[in-house]
Amino acid sequence: GAVVSQHPSRVICKSGTSVKIECRSLDFQATTMFWYRQFPKQSLMLMATSNEGSKATYEQGVEKDKFLINHASLTLSTLTVASAHPEDSSFYICSAGGTWTGSTDTQYFGPGTRLTVL
Amino acid sequence: GENVEQHPSTLSVQEGDSAVIKCTYSDSASNYFPWYKQELGKGPQLIIDIRSNVGEKKDQRIAVTLNKTAKHFSLHITETQPEDSAVYFCAASMMNQFYFGTGTSLTVIP
Repeated sequence: GAVVSQHPSRVICKSGTSVKIECRSLDFQATTMFWYRQFPKQSLMLMATSNEGSKATYEQGVEKDKFLINHASLTLSTLTVASAHPEDSSFYICSAGGTWTGSTDTQYFGPGTRLTVL
Repeated sequence: GENVEQHPSTLSVQEGDSAVIKCTYSDSASNYFPWYKQELGKGPQLIIDIRSNVGEKKDQRIAVTLNKTAKHFSLHITETQPEDSAVYFCAASMMNQFYFGTGTSLTVIP
């Protein structure tokens, strides 16, 4: 149980393109979803936290107009990188937490999305 | 805010030996401490966790210990196998906010 999927797993796009990444909790309802960014050989950097039906809370330094997060249902959150540029290239990972997991603060991670902007 | 430090950053062990990774945290309000294993190109996978009301937890070859007074917790892997090779992250959590360590790259040498 507690499976989180992400799609796509890998995307290569031209500079200026907007890219949407989907995060789904497959067997539980995720009241809260998190989006992280990870640079090579570094730890996870939290970008934003989203609760179903409400606006996302962004971490300091993360541009909310650049990284648009939507959490429209208890099983789906999307991250849209608007007008992506090469510096946005990174590994993006979502995680989900919910009461189904037996604990409100346990997070389960998706497999990640490798974004490369040319 | 919370600050989590993790050591060592790299660790090599012979197959069959034990591996220990240590983390310290700064905020005594943290009450949940998960450990994640991340293989190359994949997302982190929860392998074990412990809450502040427990001192030790074990799951087969993996164990976690917590010392609330000293604000440190450790991951212990016994009888290591090559498939244990990965990057391991600790985290300290309070009120659903996670603070991650910087990761330990574990290599198990056959």
